[in-house]
Amino acid sequence: NAGVTQTPKFRVLKTGQSMTLLCAQDMNHEYMYWYRQDPGMGLRLIHYSVGEGTTAKGEVPDGYNVSRLKKQNFLLGLESAAPSQTSVYFCASSPGGKTQYFGPGTRLLVL
Amino acid sequence: GENVEQHPSTLSVQEGDSAVIKCTYSDSASNYFPWYKQELGKRPQLIIDIRSNVGEKKDQRIAVTLNKTAKHFSLHITETQPEDSAVYFCAASIIGSNYKLTFGKGTLLTVNP
Repeated sequence: NAGVTQTPKFRVLKTGQSMTLLCAQDMNHEYMYWYRQDPGMGLRLIHYSVGEGTTAKGEVPDGYNVSRLKKQNFLLGLESAAPSQTSVYFCASSPGGKTQYFGPGTRLLVL
Repeated sequence: GENVEQHPSTLSVQEGDSAVIKCTYSDSASNYFPWYKQELGKRPQLIIDIRSNVGEKKDQRIAVTLNKTAKHFSLHITETQPEDSAVYFCAASIIGSNYKLTFGKGTLLTVNP
């Protein structure tokens, strides 16, 4: 089992560019989450999904969109990147909404 | 929504000493409290959790205590070792309701040899 994987590991974007971050899990988990981690701010929830075809807003959803077309994949999109979106992005999955298993993270730099 | 406060933000101890990290939460409906450890450059990993029907839980050198009345919970690490150096996050959630974790801002623990 690969667990939770994230693609890409690192990306540099220019302001206004768009990109999609991919999260994949092979543990058949129902719940999936996207967080951003900034120095001194902990982990803040962007969006989450409680099952295939569902999404919901978290604490800091503005500027991001998500889709969960397949149970194993959770995509995070940035339509028009801004420097404030420079961060480390973590995806997580959970079998029952309790223990969350995190991916290795994606480091994003927006210039 | 839920708000989780975590203290201290940094903690430095000598190897072999104990370390205590404290968190408070605001939503009295929260009933699940996990602790995650994140080593430098790595992903957060669950180290211990506690549900609101239990006051204390222990796993070798780590323990978590919960005071529901005061709405606070703490992580205790005894006989600290250099490999305990990491950022520790507490979190709170309502199982069976929203399935979301609200995290504290983290504590950087440094264990000096």
